[in-house]
Amino acid sequence: DTAVSQTPKYLVTQMGNDKSIKCEQNLGHDTMYWYKQDSKKFLKIMFSYNNKELIINETVPNRFSPKSPDKAHLNLHINSLELGDSAVYFCASSQNRKISPLHFGNGTRLTVT
Amino acid sequence: AQSVSQHNHHVILSEAASLELGCNYSYGGTVNLFWYVQYPGQHLQLLLKYFSGDPLVKGIKGFEAEFIKSKFSFNLRKPSVQWSDTAEYFCAVKGSNTGNQFYFGTGTSLTVIP
Repeated sequence: DTAVSQTPKYLVTQMGNDKSIKCEQNLGHDTMYWYKQDSKKFLKIMFSYNNKELIINETVPNRFSPKSPDKAHLNLHINSLELGDSAVYFCASSQNRKISPLHFGNGTRLTVT
Repeated sequence: AQSVSQHNHHVILSEAASLELGCNYSYGGTVNLFWYVQYPGQHLQLLLKYFSGDPLVKGIKGFEAEFIKSKFSFNLRKPSVQWSDTAEYFCAVKGSNTGNQFYFGTGTSLTVIP
């Protein structure tokens, strides 16, 4: 009964490839997020998305694109992978209310060779 | 610029020592504050949260945090740490002027020596 699940857990790929990471939440939350955690453990917001709006961190390259088939899913697609994309990517969700914290998935460790 | 600052990057303590990790934020308006813990190789888990009311909030595993509005701070404390508290600790802010977004500090790595 995992609340926020993401797949795969590990992803190893070569530069230039296109890959996707899937995320699903069964909490009934209306907002989902993608975060990138680098090797120094710094967490950077990439996207937040609900039914109504997509908020993109302007520093995220346009090679990264979120895709949401429905409110329970927010997948992350990455084109033309680069070495610097290697990181752990966390999906999270929350309810669009002040009192709702973030619930995180287990993370996807992406390694670009 | 708006930010969340955690000034302690690495903290090493012996078991039973007391812990205080600093967190300061620079967002205006009403803020909601959180501390998350990330055990080695795991995802982030919520330790505690502050929304309103009593500025001293208690969380899981004996942790507590105090919101001091005048200092824009939300420091995390634990009177006696255990080896199992070894982890990365993140402070986060969600404010009335940050939309739906949560902003995280850079994290503090805590190592507890048995």
